[in-house]
Amino acid sequence: KAGVTQTPRYLIKTRGQQVTLSCSPISGHRSVSWYQQTPGQGLQFLFEYFSETQRNKGNFPGRFSGRQFSNSRSEMNVSTLELGDSALYLCASSLGQPNNEQFFGPGTRLTVL
Amino acid sequence: KNEVEQSPQNLTAQEGEFITINCSYSVGISALHWLQQHPGGGIVSLFMLSSGKKKHGRLIATINIQEKHSSLHITASHPRDSAVYICAVRPGNQFYFGTGTSLTVIP
Repeated sequence: KAGVTQTPRYLIKTRGQQVTLSCSPISGHRSVSWYQQTPGQGLQFLFEYFSETQRNKGNFPGRFSGRQFSNSRSEMNVSTLELGDSALYLCASSLGQPNNEQFFGPGTRLTVL
Repeated sequence: KNEVEQSPQNLTAQEGEFITINCSYSVGISALHWLQQHPGGGIVSLFMLSSGKKKHGRLIATINIQEKHSSLHITASHPRDSAVYICAVRPGNQFYFGTGTSLTVIP
């Protein structure tokens, strides 16, 4: 079974731009969660999608949004980028029950200049 | 206020040593996760446990729900165990993560 894939792996943007990151879950997984990891804040939960609906949301501003498609692939979008948005963005997929094991993708390294 | 606290933050061990990483949390949970992150960013889920103890190879994880505490043990540590170990809990709709323990095992 193929693992979770994320594209692109690396991205450089400038302040004010917007960015879209993509995550393809493991086949059969219906839940996709997104996380931000920075040296200062560590890992933080962004949101979770299940069957095309946002099921849970972390404490991030509205500039961070996401969606999930019918094939369970998910995208997250960050608008009006700020320097502090520079981070590793990870997605994880699972079958969808609250305590199912999560399988992480390799992450997208976003640098905002 | 951190919902999840890990200790130690950094740990250096000689190959073969027994290692313990601790995690305490302040929220009610049904399960706790231990994650491993190698340099480069990839994260692997090691354990999900809600009671007692689980063992996988040289790794052992224990949890005491009443005391809100979990430990991750590594027996006969090896340089390939060098990584960041993160505990995570999910009380309800959000995940909360510890800041991680950076482990370096020296040959």
